Amino acid sequence: GAVVSQHPSWVICKSGTSVKIECRSLDFQATTMFWYRQFPKQSLMLMATSNEGSKATYEQGVEKDKFLINHASLTLSTLTVTSAHPEDSSFYICSARVGGRGWALEQYFGPGTRLTVT
Amino acid sequence: TQLLEQSPQFLSIQEGENLTVYCNSSSVFSSLQWYRQEPGEGPVLLVTVVTGGEVKKLKRLTFQFGDARKDSSLHITAAQPGDTGLYLCAKGRSQGNLIFGKGTKLSVKP
Repeated sequence: GAVVSQHPSWVICKSGTSVKIECRSLDFQATTMFWYRQFPKQSLMLMATSNEGSKATYEQGVEKDKFLINHASLTLSTLTVTSAHPEDSSFYICSARVGGRGWALEQYFGPGTRLTVT
Repeated sequence: TQLLEQSPQFLSIQEGENLTVYCNSSSVFSSLQWYRQEPGEGPVLLVTVVTGGEVKKLKRLTFQFGDARKDSSLHITAAQPGDTGLYLCAKGRSQGNLIFGKGTKLSVKP
Protein backbone atom coordinates (compact mmCIF):
# COMPACT_ATOMS: atom_id res chain seq x y z
CA GLY A 1 0.00 0.00 0.00
CA ALA A 2 0.92 3.65 -0.34
CA VAL A 3 3.09 4.97 2.46
CA VAL A 4 3.49 8.55 3.57
CA SER A 5 6.13 9.51 6.09
CA GLN A 6 6.60 12.65 8.14
CA HIS A 7 9.70 13.96 9.80
CA PRO A 8 10.16 14.70 12.58
CA SER A 9 7.50 12.76 14.46
CA TRP A 10 7.73 15.25 17.29
CA VAL A 11 9.56 18.49 17.91
CA ILE A 12 9.89 20.95 20.76
CA CYS A 13 11.02 24.45 19.94
CA LYS A 14 11.28 27.80 21.64
CA SER A 15 8.90 30.63 20.91
CA GLY A 16 10.08 32.77 18.01
CA THR A 17 12.00 30.05 16.21
CA SER A 18 11.03 28.32 12.96
CA VAL A 19 10.34 24.64 12.47
CA LYS A 20 10.30 22.65 9.24
CA ILE A 21 8.18 19.52 8.85
CA GLU A 22 8.70 17.16 5.92
CA CYS A 23 6.08 15.00 4.25
CA ARG A 24 7.23 12.30 1.84
CA SER A 25 5.38 9.82 -0.32
CA LEU A 26 7.64 6.78 -0.18
CA ASP A 27 6.39 4.52 -2.95
CA PHE A 28 4.31 6.72 -5.22
CA GLN A 29 4.34 10.15 -6.75
CA ALA A 30 1.98 12.70 -5.28
CA THR A 31 1.03 15.66 -7.40
CA THR A 32 -1.03 17.02 -4.54
CA MET A 33 -0.38 17.00 -0.83
CA PHE A 34 -2.53 18.44 1.91
CA TRP A 35 -1.59 19.80 5.30
CA TYR A 36 -3.95 19.47 8.23
CA ARG A 37 -3.78 20.60 11.83
CA GLN A 38 -5.41 18.83 14.72
CA PHE A 39 -5.75 20.32 18.18
CA PRO A 40 -6.34 18.04 21.19
CA LYS A 41 -9.71 16.36 21.18
CA GLN A 42 -10.63 18.00 17.90
CA SER A 43 -10.89 16.87 14.32
CA LEU A 44 -8.52 17.55 11.46
CA MET A 45 -8.71 21.01 9.95
CA LEU A 46 -7.35 21.57 6.48
CA MET A 47 -4.68 24.24 6.37
CA ALA A 48 -3.53 24.23 2.77
CA THR A 49 -3.33 22.33 -0.49
CA SER A 50 0.12 21.90 -1.95
CA ASN A 51 0.57 21.22 -5.66
CA GLU A 52 3.92 20.20 -7.06
CA GLY A 53 5.61 23.08 -8.80
CA SER A 54 3.05 25.74 -7.91
CA LYS A 55 2.05 27.89 -5.00
CA ALA A 56 0.03 26.38 -2.21
CA THR A 57 -3.63 27.24 -1.73
CA TYR A 58 -4.42 28.22 1.83
CA GLU A 59 -7.71 27.83 3.64
CA GLN A 60 -9.41 30.91 5.02
CA GLY A 61 -7.84 32.06 8.26
CA VAL A 62 -4.49 30.34 7.68
CA GLU A 63 -1.61 32.81 7.38
CA LYS A 64 0.44 31.96 4.33
CA ASP A 65 3.40 33.99 5.55
CA LYS A 66 3.47 32.08 8.80
CA PHE A 67 2.97 28.59 7.41
CA LEU A 68 5.29 28.32 4.42
CA ILE A 69 4.66 25.37 2.14
CA ASN A 70 7.03 24.12 -0.51
CA HIS A 71 6.27 21.21 -2.84
CA ALA A 72 9.40 21.03 -4.90
CA SER A 73 9.14 17.43 -6.03
CA LEU A 74 6.50 14.76 -6.58
CA THR A 75 7.50 13.01 -3.37
CA LEU A 76 8.21 15.83 -0.95
CA SER A 77 6.29 18.71 0.58
CA THR A 78 7.52 20.79 3.49
CA LEU A 79 5.66 22.94 5.97
CA THR A 80 7.67 25.58 7.81
CA VAL A 81 6.11 27.20 10.84
CA THR A 82 7.84 30.55 11.09
CA SER A 83 8.23 32.48 14.33
CA ALA A 84 6.36 29.79 16.19
CA HIS A 85 4.32 30.66 19.25
CA PRO A 86 2.74 28.44 21.92
CA GLU A 87 -0.64 28.67 20.19
CA ASP A 88 0.91 26.96 17.17
CA SER A 89 1.44 23.85 19.27
CA SER A 90 -0.58 21.15 17.58
CA PHE A 91 -0.52 17.86 15.70
CA TYR A 92 0.32 18.50 12.05
CA ILE A 93 -0.69 15.82 9.56
CA CYS A 94 -0.02 15.67 5.86
CA SER A 95 -1.72 13.55 3.25
CA ALA A 96 -0.75 12.73 -0.30
CA ARG A 97 -2.89 12.01 -3.31
CA VAL A 98 -1.96 10.20 -6.47
CA GLY A 99 -2.07 12.32 -9.61
CA GLY A 100 -5.13 13.81 -11.27
CA ARG A 101 -8.04 15.78 -9.90
CA GLY A 102 -11.25 15.08 -8.09
CA TRP A 103 -12.45 13.79 -4.80
CA ALA A 104 -12.55 10.13 -5.67
CA LEU A 105 -8.82 9.64 -5.56
CA GLU A 106 -7.68 8.24 -2.29
CA GLN A 107 -5.52 10.18 0.09
CA TYR A 108 -2.86 8.55 2.19
CA PHE A 109 -2.07 10.15 5.51
CA GLY A 110 1.24 10.53 7.23
CA PRO A 111 1.70 9.60 10.89
CA GLY A 112 1.70 13.23 12.01
CA THR A 113 4.15 15.57 13.69
CA ARG A 114 3.59 16.75 17.24
CA LEU A 115 4.82 20.34 17.60
CA THR A 116 5.23 21.86 21.03
CA VAL A 117 6.29 25.48 21.29
CA THR A 118 7.57 26.55 24.69
CA THR B 1 -19.82 26.20 9.29
CA GLN B 2 -19.69 22.58 10.38
CA LEU B 3 -20.64 20.65 7.27
CA LEU B 4 -20.54 17.23 8.85
CA GLU B 5 -22.18 16.31 12.12
CA GLN B 6 -21.08 13.15 13.84
CA SER B 7 -22.82 11.48 16.73
CA PRO B 8 -22.26 10.48 19.36
CA GLN B 9 -19.11 12.42 20.18
CA PHE B 10 -18.04 9.87 22.78
CA LEU B 11 -18.94 6.24 23.23
CA SER B 12 -17.70 3.86 25.90
CA ILE B 13 -18.83 0.26 25.70
CA GLN B 14 -17.88 -3.22 26.86
CA GLU B 15 -16.20 -5.76 24.65
CA GLY B 16 -18.74 -7.76 22.67
CA GLU B 17 -21.35 -5.03 22.41
CA ASN B 18 -22.63 -3.60 19.15
CA LEU B 19 -22.60 0.09 18.29
CA THR B 20 -23.54 2.53 15.56
CA VAL B 21 -22.08 5.94 14.85
CA TYR B 22 -23.59 8.47 12.51
CA CYS B 23 -22.47 11.14 10.08
CA ASN B 24 -24.97 13.67 8.77
CA SER B 25 -25.01 16.70 6.54
CA SER B 26 -27.64 19.13 5.31
CA SER B 27 -26.16 18.89 1.82
CA VAL B 28 -25.69 15.98 -0.51
CA PHE B 29 -22.38 14.14 -0.51
CA SER B 30 -20.79 13.17 -3.78
CA SER B 31 -18.83 10.65 -1.74
CA LEU B 32 -18.02 9.96 1.85
CA GLN B 33 -15.07 8.33 3.53
CA TRP B 34 -14.69 6.81 6.96
CA TYR B 35 -11.36 6.88 8.76
CA ARG B 36 -10.07 5.54 12.05
CA GLN B 37 -7.39 7.42 13.94
CA GLU B 38 -5.43 6.22 16.93
CA PRO B 39 -3.75 8.66 19.34
CA GLY B 40 -0.58 10.15 17.95
CA GLU B 41 -1.12 8.71 14.48
CA GLY B 42 -2.60 9.81 11.20
CA PRO B 43 -6.05 8.67 10.04
CA VAL B 44 -6.34 5.37 8.22
CA LEU B 45 -8.95 5.01 5.51
CA LEU B 46 -11.57 2.36 6.21
CA VAL B 47 -13.97 2.78 3.31
CA THR B 48 -15.30 5.09 0.61
CA VAL B 49 -19.01 5.10 -0.21
CA VAL B 50 -20.31 6.69 -3.35
CA THR B 51 -23.77 5.39 -4.29
CA GLY B 52 -26.94 6.22 -2.35
CA GLY B 53 -28.12 3.18 -0.41
CA GLU B 54 -24.72 1.53 -0.70
CA VAL B 55 -23.68 -0.92 2.01
CA LYS B 56 -20.10 -2.04 2.46
CA LYS B 57 -18.74 -4.52 4.93
CA LEU B 58 -15.25 -4.74 6.35
CA LYS B 59 -15.10 -7.72 8.70
CA ARG B 60 -17.19 -6.64 11.72
CA LEU B 61 -17.73 -3.13 10.37
CA THR B 62 -20.75 -2.29 8.21
CA PHE B 63 -20.92 1.05 6.44
CA GLN B 64 -24.12 2.41 4.97
CA PHE B 65 -24.67 5.43 2.76
CA GLY B 66 -28.14 6.97 2.95
CA ASP B 67 -30.41 6.83 -0.06
CA ALA B 68 -30.38 10.61 -0.31
CA ARG B 69 -26.60 10.70 0.15
CA LYS B 70 -26.90 13.09 3.08
CA ASP B 71 -26.02 10.66 5.82
CA SER B 72 -23.96 7.61 6.59
CA SER B 73 -23.58 5.17 9.42
CA LEU B 74 -20.92 2.84 10.72
CA HIS B 75 -22.03 -0.22 12.65
CA ILE B 76 -19.58 -2.36 14.58
CA THR B 77 -20.62 -5.84 15.65
CA ALA B 78 -19.11 -7.46 18.73
CA ALA B 79 -16.70 -4.63 19.40
CA GLN B 80 -13.16 -5.49 20.45
CA PRO B 81 -10.67 -3.38 22.44
CA GLY B 82 -8.69 -3.06 19.22
CA ASP B 83 -11.59 -1.07 17.76
CA THR B 84 -10.85 1.75 20.18
CA GLY B 85 -10.05 4.97 18.38
CA LEU B 86 -11.43 8.13 16.83
CA TYR B 87 -13.78 7.45 13.93
CA LEU B 88 -13.96 10.26 11.43
CA CYS B 89 -16.19 10.74 8.44
CA ALA B 90 -14.95 12.98 5.65
CA LYS B 91 -16.48 14.56 2.61
CA GLY B 92 -14.52 15.15 -0.55
CA ARG B 93 -14.41 18.61 -2.03
CA SER B 94 -14.00 19.53 -5.68
CA GLN B 95 -10.46 20.69 -4.98
CA GLY B 96 -9.67 17.14 -3.95
CA ASN B 97 -9.22 17.82 -0.26
CA LEU B 98 -11.38 16.55 2.56
CA ILE B 99 -13.66 18.12 5.12
CA PHE B 100 -13.77 16.08 8.31
CA GLY B 101 -16.47 15.69 10.90
CA LYS B 102 -15.55 16.18 14.55
CA GLY B 103 -15.34 12.46 15.07
CA THR B 104 -16.65 9.85 17.45
CA LYS B 105 -14.24 8.76 20.13
CA LEU B 106 -14.85 5.08 20.82
CA SER B 107 -13.52 3.24 23.84
CA VAL B 108 -14.05 -0.50 24.08
CA LYS B 109 -13.29 -1.90 27.51
CA PRO B 110 -12.23 -5.53 27.92
